[in-house]
Amino acid sequence: QKEVEQNSGPLSVPEGAIASLNCTYSDRGSQSFFWYRQYSGKSPELIMFIYSNGDKEDGRFTAQLNKASQYVSLLIRDSQPSDSATYLCAVSNQAGTALIFGKGTTLSVSS
Amino acid sequence: DVKVTQSSRYLVKRTGEKVFLECVQDMDHENMFWYRQDPGLGLRLIYFSYDVKMKEKGDIPEGYSVSREKKERFSLILESASTNQTSMYLCASSLRSLGTGVFNPQHFGDGTRLSIL
Repeated sequence: QKEVEQNSGPLSVPEGAIASLNCTYSDRGSQSFFWYRQYSGKSPELIMFIYSNGDKEDGRFTAQLNKASQYVSLLIRDSQPSDSATYLCAVSNQAGTALIFGKGTTLSVSS
Repeated sequence: DVKVTQSSRYLVKRTGEKVFLECVQDMDHENMFWYRQDPGLGLRLIYFSYDVKMKEKGDIPEGYSVSREKKERFSLILESASTNQTSMYLCASSLRSLGTGVFNPQHFGDGTRLSIL
């Protein structure tokens, strides 16, 4: 069974700090990697996706991918209380037909 | 923006009923998916579809079926609802995969919170 592992948290950071969220995956053939944000009682919202090794930046968010080590991370700079949510890591299966989701990391940003 | 619309936000049904959950997307996406989300278990794939009249089983298809008669609409059917099917149901869609295992971003609807009494 292919797996995606995330620390459930909660991860607590003060406002303005950098939040670092990590994810490891077991399927070495995975090609596509996604980060979703989910507020309590709401559906997941796509934040970032990355296909190649290295960093990809979008505003305050940076996704980092290391296929050799099979991990993907999400950095949130200048964290805001509105960033408090559960962050889901999703990884494509080797065939590229479906996503495998981690159980999420809960982030709490205190003001 | 991608719009994925699920027919109901909240639904209450009785054990043994046949339940239909509807999902419509307006972005001409080829791929559509049904998940359920439960505390401690995360998102689990029930069924997905690559094209009209195509369907594939996900990780937990037992007790469910699907229908995709039109490209924009993907229906999830609980043949005989049971209390263990009480859950949040999420529909998602994406463009066709790019090949060589590369997967396009998936977008979710608002979800249907289903209670089976």
